[in-house]
Amino acid sequence: AQSVTQLGSHVSVSEGALVLLRCNYSSSVPPYLFWYVQYPNQGLQLLLKYTTGATLVKGINGFEAEFKKSETSFHLTKPSAHMSDAAEYFCAVGGDSGTYKYIFGTGTRLKVLA
Amino acid sequence: KAGVTQTPRYLIKTRGQQVTLSCSPISGHRSVSWYQQTPGQGLQFLFEYFSETQRNKGNFPGRFSGRQFSNSRSEMNVSTLELGDSALYLCASSFSTNEKLFFGSGTQLSVL
Repeated sequence: AQSVTQLGSHVSVSEGALVLLRCNYSSSVPPYLFWYVQYPNQGLQLLLKYTTGATLVKGINGFEAEFKKSETSFHLTKPSAHMSDAAEYFCAVGGDSGTYKYIFGTGTRLKVLA
Repeated sequence: KAGVTQTPRYLIKTRGQQVTLSCSPISGHRSVSWYQQTPGQGLQFLFEYFSETQRNKGNFPGRFSGRQFSNSRSEMNVSTLELGDSALYLCASSFSTNEKLFFGSGTQLSVL
């Protein structure tokens, strides 16, 4: 069975500081990994995804994530936080063949301090 | 191209009632999945439909059901509502397996 763990339900960073949101996964098959962002009163939108190939994945808005199989991790980073990055971030895993079922983490709410 | 449309946006019901939520996927998407989002629980998978067939179901009681129509539109129904059913219900559509999900803005259900 697949699962996702996001460490830290709330993370605060200063504007301009590094953003690091942690995600660890468990999967018995090669995983497809995703990061989604949710702004208030909106649905989720995709930041980036890893399927196969290069382990460093670049997404929108300056975010990137690195797939580390040995650590079963897929942490999300951004070199310099902006006020507009304040939102909730969800890590998700998929990959069971023939299914569109995704397992989401419980989310990390990012607060950016001026 | 229109996005995923969910109606209604807000619903207030009382315990014991039933409710039907609607989702229109992006044109051309044949897969629709539903998630329940509550604070602290994240997104819990409800079901997934592809070409009118339920292919996967999450760990929810039988009071939660759904269906998909030939035009890919989907509905989910919750019968005998309980207070704990209060949540944001999100619908997502996708073109193919393990491609990105496109989410609607959700239906916020409050059970009083």
